[in-house]
Amino acid sequence: NAGVTQTPKFRILKIGQSMTLQCTQDMNHNYMYWYRQDPGMGLKLIYYSVGAGITDKGEVPNGYNVSRSTTEDFPLRLELAAPSQTSVYFCATATNLRGSGNTIYFGEGSWLTVV
Amino acid sequence: DAKTTQPPSMDCAEGRAANLPCNHSTISGNEYVYWYRQIHSQGPQYIIHGLKNNETNEMASLIITEDRKSSTLILPHATLRDTAVYYCIVRVTSGSRLTFGEGTQLTVNP
Repeated sequence: NAGVTQTPKFRILKIGQSMTLQCTQDMNHNYMYWYRQDPGMGLKLIYYSVGAGITDKGEVPNGYNVSRSTTEDFPLRLELAAPSQTSVYFCATATNLRGSGNTIYFGEGSWLTVV
Repeated sequence: DAKTTQPPSMDCAEGRAANLPCNHSTISGNEYVYWYRQIHSQGPQYIIHGLKNNETNEMASLIITEDRKSSTLILPHATLRDTAVYYCIVRVTSGSRLTFGEGTQLTVNP
């Protein structure tokens, strides 16, 4: 059981380049999330999805786009990379099973540097 | 999801109990309290959760006040490896938007 898989783990981008961070889950969870975490700071919600075909903005969506064509995949797109997007990005999934214990699962993170 | 408030940092001596508070005064009746921790730059790790009763597992205990407006995570015998940022969040298990606060940086000192 792979859980939540993020790729790539590390990436260096030049200013103005674009790229996609991939997130795949094999737990059939409806909810998926993208967070960014700057050094010494907490997790900030970028975008989230409650199911295939449905996405919504989080706290810091500017400069990013997402899509959710399948339950398993929730890619995060950076169209014009800026130094302010240098951060660690975490993908997470969640269930809606009441009282089932841990319901939020995180990937291992993707380290992105924009130079 | 209800907003939570945590102290930005706390210290604890190794081997002593670490008591981490969380205020969630706007919690609604169907929201659970969850605790996660993040060691260095790893993905957050689940610790424990509860609705209104106190809970205990192999990692920690969770004490929720009777009015449910606050809770305390207890690490009974803190070790150096418990040094991490601890996040308290409240969530309806069928809810969607999920935000984290800044958490509490717990430093366990030898």
